[in-house]
Amino acid sequence: AQSVTQLDSQVPVFEEAPVELRCNYSSSVSVYLFWYVQYPNQGLQLLLKYLSGSTLVKGINGFEAEFNKSQTSFHLRKPSVHISDTAEYFCAVSANTNAGKSTFGDGTTLTVKP
Amino acid sequence: GAVVSQHPSWVICKSGTSVKIECRSLDFQATTMFWYRQFPKQSLMLMATSNEGSKATYEQGVEKDKFLINHASLTLSTLTVTSAHPEDSSFYICSAAHSVGNYEQYFGPGTRLTVT
Repeated sequence: AQSVTQLDSQVPVFEEAPVELRCNYSSSVSVYLFWYVQYPNQGLQLLLKYLSGSTLVKGINGFEAEFNKSQTSFHLRKPSVHISDTAEYFCAVSANTNAGKSTFGDGTTLTVKP
Repeated sequence: GAVVSQHPSWVICKSGTSVKIECRSLDFQATTMFWYRQFPKQSLMLMATSNEGSKATYEQGVEKDKFLINHASLTLSTLTVTSAHPEDSSFYICSAAHSVGNYEQYFGPGTRLTVT
């Protein structure tokens, strides 16, 4: 089984500042990793995913994440945030042997202040 | 591409009644659909996985007789909450994947269920 821990439940940050949302995972098998964004009363939108290959993954809206196998982490970063980035962010993991079934972290609320 | 819709977007029902939520993949065929439940300020909890033409696989602790899932076609899955009670009030989200084991899920916009 897999598990995901998002280390920060809330992250407040000022507009145009950099941000990092932290995610650690646990698994006994190789995994796929995902970051999703959820705006209020909406479904989830995929920001980026790591399947294999380069450990630095670039996604939409200027986000990127780095897969670190030794530290079992997949932290999400953005060099300069906008007000519109205010949302809930979820890290998710799935075993590559059962890729469709994902386990989600508890989420991090990113609040961007003017 | 890869758009998933849910209907209704919100519903209010009285305790004891049943409610059906539809999940449709609009521009692709979804062999597998997932149903999630999300409580306020919490993460998504997988309720069940449904594969077209077969019975749904429910996660531990989810009552299959209460949450009836049907995946009759490659573009439609339904979740029926039977004899709903206030504790069933929640945000229900579906997702769809092209094939069994495909890593990429496309999420619907969710359905807000309120049971009075």
